[in-house]
Amino acid sequence: DAGITQSPRHKVTETGTPVTLRCHQTENHRYMYWYRQDPGHGLRLIHYSYGVKDTDKGEVSDGYSVSRSKTEDFLLTLESATSSQTSVYFCAISTGDTEAFFGQGTRLTVV
Amino acid sequence: SQQGEEDPQALSIQEGENATMNCSYKTSINNLQWYRQNSGRGLVHLILIRSNEREKHSGRLRVTLDTSKKSSSLLITASRAADTASYFCASYSGAGSYQLTFGKGTKLSVIP
Repeated sequence: DAGITQSPRHKVTETGTPVTLRCHQTENHRYMYWYRQDPGHGLRLIHYSYGVKDTDKGEVSDGYSVSRSKTEDFLLTLESATSSQTSVYFCAISTGDTEAFFGQGTRLTVV
Repeated sequence: SQQGEEDPQALSIQEGENATMNCSYKTSINNLQWYRQNSGRGLVHLILIRSNEREKHSGRLRVTLDTSKKSSSLLITASRAADTASYFCASYSGAGSYQLTFGKGTKLSVIP
């Protein structure tokens, strides 16, 4: 399996609190992605990164921010969590224009 | 918006039958990929077909690509109960941006 780890794997948080999810890779891949998966919507891209400090918005970026200060880490932050952000979050990596490798997912519940 | 749209949304077949899933996409692509997701797990890459290819095989998988119709199909032959999963198509969109977007997926159930 590709070296990609998401943490935490499960989290329950209260509405209005900040939450940070971490994606760590050991493959030195240039591209990293954050997705959310909800029933009926498949995977929707939140943000992605094409290098250290280089990020761009995806389809559903409102309410989320990201940072990538090192090649191996890509952080997703919910500044003030809302119930609509309850979802399963997946991180993925790729070398660009090739197959992507996925983490195991983080199940986030906002109560 | 999401680049790919799979059809059908759900498919139920008997073990041993073939399963065909279709994907339509919106913008021009360099390649199209298919992924599989078992319940509650991360996605796993199955096969990649480049824009200059029309058909590709991998084991029991056969993928076709029609760039004129912006569509692709995934055929799983001689299905097994273990093939039960959701299947997604994906592609990179945006010239030079490598934004990887997925369709909503097809949920395949193979009945033993």
